[in-house]
Amino acid sequence: RKEVEQDPGPFNVPEGATVAFNCTYSNSASQSFFWYRQDCRKEPKLLMSVYSSGNEDGRFTAQLNRASQYISLLIRDSKLSDSATYLCVVPLDTGNQFYFGTGTSLTVIP
Amino acid sequence: NAGVTQTPKFRVLKTGQSMTLLCAQDMNHEYMYWYRQDPGLGLRLIHYSVGEGTTAKGEVPDGYNVSRLKKQNFLLGLESAAPSQTSVYFCASSFSRNTEAFFGQGTRLTVV
Repeated sequence: RKEVEQDPGPFNVPEGATVAFNCTYSNSASQSFFWYRQDCRKEPKLLMSVYSSGNEDGRFTAQLNRASQYISLLIRDSKLSDSATYLCVVPLDTGNQFYFGTGTSLTVIP
Repeated sequence: NAGVTQTPKFRVLKTGQSMTLLCAQDMNHEYMYWYRQDPGLGLRLIHYSVGEGTTAKGEVPDGYNVSRLKKQNFLLGLESAAPSQTSVYFCASSFSRNTEAFFGQGTRLTVV
């Protein structure tokens, strides 16, 4: 089983829609989680950190479900500028490595 | 504030040639990482370092070597480039293993 798994999509949604992505992880001891955004041919950039049950920043909400070992990212009122690939990242508690999901592609359509 | 800087940004190599990619960070981070990103495979860790003078293997270390002689720099070397090493390489750094990582702009390497 992969350390981190994401639905690759693509997700194509109209402007103003609400969209949610899920990410499952295998290491139950992981303590912190991150969502990164990556635009085409650019480096990944941090979108949100999740250290407890969840985090909210404007239109973006990240939630953590430790029992089921998944984190989710909810985007409300989607904008054209939200079109990107969203990467789920889980640092291993027992190692020194960040594991990245393969990413979920989002396209917001006018 | 420069953050994480990678050089070069683009490079074309012939099979068998060698090269070194340089990563520099000015955030005083202990942890540094080298990833490669390939379509459909996501970001895969090549090597990483948890401090000056230390290095460790990641998920896909074969064909690569690294050095961390100074805290702010992390070098990735390809001794004998192969077409399978055509990829986009990203360097990243973080304060600790549980804090966010900051990425450089990437190096697009093509081996012909």
